[in-house]
Amino acid sequence: DAGITQSPRHKVTETGTPVTLRCHQTENHRYMYWYRQDPGHGLRLIHYSYGVKDTDKGEVSDGYSVSRSKTEDFLLTLESATSSQTSVYFCAISESAGQANQPQHFGDGTRLSIL
Amino acid sequence: LAKTTQPISMDSYEGQEVNITCSHNNIATNDYITWYQQFPSQGPRFIIQGYKTKVTNEVASLFIPADRKSSTLSLPRVSLSDTAVYYCLVGPNNYGQNFVFGPGTRLSVLP
Repeated sequence: DAGITQSPRHKVTETGTPVTLRCHQTENHRYMYWYRQDPGHGLRLIHYSYGVKDTDKGEVSDGYSVSRSKTEDFLLTLESATSSQTSVYFCAISESAGQANQPQHFGDGTRLSIL
Repeated sequence: LAKTTQPISMDSYEGQEVNITCSHNNIATNDYITWYQQFPSQGPRFIIQGYKTKVTNEVASLFIPADRKSSTLSLPRVSLSDTAVYYCLVGPNNYGQNFVFGPGTRLSVLP
């Protein structure tokens, strides 16, 4: 399995507090992604990164920010958490992007509850 | 962005072959077809990928007709441990923007 570690695995916090989720990879892959998964919605892309300090928005980026200061780490921050951000968050990596479809490899997720 | 349609759920029995079909009528020339499997409390796991005709690996086979407007994931002799959600994705994965996961197909394997 791809070396992807998400931390924390579970977190409960209160509305209005800042939250940072970490994704760490040991594969040296260039591309990293953050998704959220909610019942009835499948996985939705929040933000992605195509290199150190290179990030862009996905489908549901409002209320989230990301940073990538090193190849191996991709951080997702909720500046002021809201109850609507209660979800399971998945990090994914891929070796490359382009004409040939490069499969993504996923971490085991972070279950975040915002009360 | 190619939209996909697949059954919401399927039931099968242990030892049977399971075929899950995905429709993708507006697939583009450079799009690949990728299938993932997801167990509860885990992230999706890559199963198989193809562009045309048939692809087989140690886990599954993927059948893609000439017009590429659909694809069929075939799981031979399923076991209880194959109970999971299966996602069909179509796209070139340009920076993940075209990776749109729908609700998938929930496969239940019964004893």
